[in-house]
Amino acid sequence: GDSVTQMEGPVTLSEEAFLTINCTYTATGYPSLFWYVQYPGEGLQLLLKATKADDKGSNKGFEATYRKETTSFHLEKGSVQVSDSAVYFCALLPGNAGGTSYGKLTFGQGTILTVHP
Amino acid sequence: DGGITQSPKYLFRKEGQNVTLSCEQNLNHDAMYWYRQDPGQGLRLIYYSQIVNDFQKGDIAEGYSVSREKKESFPLTVTSAQKNPTAFYLCASSPRRDTPTNEKLFFGSGTQLSVL
Repeated sequence: GDSVTQMEGPVTLSEEAFLTINCTYTATGYPSLFWYVQYPGEGLQLLLKATKADDKGSNKGFEATYRKETTSFHLEKGSVQVSDSAVYFCALLPGNAGGTSYGKLTFGQGTILTVHP
Repeated sequence: DGGITQSPKYLFRKEGQNVTLSCEQNLNHDAMYWYRQDPGQGLRLIYYSQIVNDFQKGDIAEGYSVSREKKESFPLTVTSAQKNPTAFYLCASSPRRDTPTNEKLFFGSGTQLSVL
């Protein structure tokens, strides 16, 4: 079945450091890929997404490129801020989503990011 | 403001007790979902509903039940059959079940359930 594997955390960085959170996936066909962010005590929010190979999703300074050859969707940010401290989830939606599989995202285990001033 | 409201934020369950978590949305979304989140694990789908009066089991439905009598409401009952109910429960919704590319989920702020 489909699966998503994220790098283990927690990740601790100083403000303005470069961030990479690795995400690889296993899926048949052509899934859509997502990064969600969860701030303390809150639900998840969509951060960015990519729906086909070589697409780059970007939002709030974060970027991720859909690499089909390496089945990866690594999250990057050039300069993190304290306010970026949160849990980050990589997720995929099967390429044949619709009907009974609609909305059934497969999530990675989440990576905790802590940014210090 | 449109959104998803989960209540209560914190809930405690006694042994042998059923408890119900509320989820209401005013986004006019067709589909609604319940996920369970455990520390160090990704979200796991409990139940989902694509239309009123219809719902389907997700990956970990045992010990849970749901209803979808109204479009805006999708309550989750954690029954006494669920032996390890302590977790963070997230409700989500998405628009138009028949739009393949409309895959964005909107999440509520969650309910933390603990066993006394």
